[in-house]
Amino acid sequence: GQNIDQPTEMTATEGAIVQINCTYQTSGFNGLFWYQQHAGEAPTFLSYNVLDGLEEKGRFSSFLSRSKGYSYLLLKELQMKDSASYLCAVMDSNYQLIWGAGTKLIIKP
Amino acid sequence: GAVVSQHPSRVICKSGTSVKIECRSLDFQATTMFWYRQFPKQSLMLMATSNEGSKATYEQGVEKDKFLINHASLTLSTLTVTSAHPEDSSFYICTVRTSGVTEAFFGQGTRLTVV
Repeated sequence: GQNIDQPTEMTATEGAIVQINCTYQTSGFNGLFWYQQHAGEAPTFLSYNVLDGLEEKGRFSSFLSRSKGYSYLLLKELQMKDSASYLCAVMDSNYQLIWGAGTKLIIKP
Repeated sequence: GAVVSQHPSRVICKSGTSVKIECRSLDFQATTMFWYRQFPKQSLMLMATSNEGSKATYEQGVEKDKFLINHASLTLSTLTVTSAHPEDSSFYICTVRTSGVTEAFFGQGTRLTVV
């Protein structure tokens, strides 16, 4: 079956760095997405990786290793507004998005 | 960036009534629309996929007669929850993809409460 695993919850301190991991097992691979979702709102797009390596976009970076079925989202210089759930999703061979349950990130002052 | 408008954002309805949720792409052609539902603290669950002008493809376990999806144009798809029951209370989100673009664009979501 298809499976996306990510931690349920993480806590970090304002100004620090946090890494949210995601492992996946899917039927085919056409890219991995990270989305941010604040409570009660729809997800917003953060990043897309289809090739191995690190993609940097401001304070956020996303890494992919296809051979390991592994990705991480790195958030630097954490701000209180970064408190949200972070969803990992993989596009399978049918171009369907398979979603993880999300990682709730709590930022403390 | 692309904008997807979904409304209503919140709706409360009585058990047994029907509710229609609209999803519009405002500045691009939505070749494919996806409807998800999300229960608290759970992942997005795909309900159905619709392509413009054709019948929606429903995921296993989703009742097509209960969740009516219409994708009549390249800019509009609707989800109608018929004969709603309290267990249908959930967060419904539409997602739009367009040709040549990998990213999926989300509507704002609809919080449905059936009382």
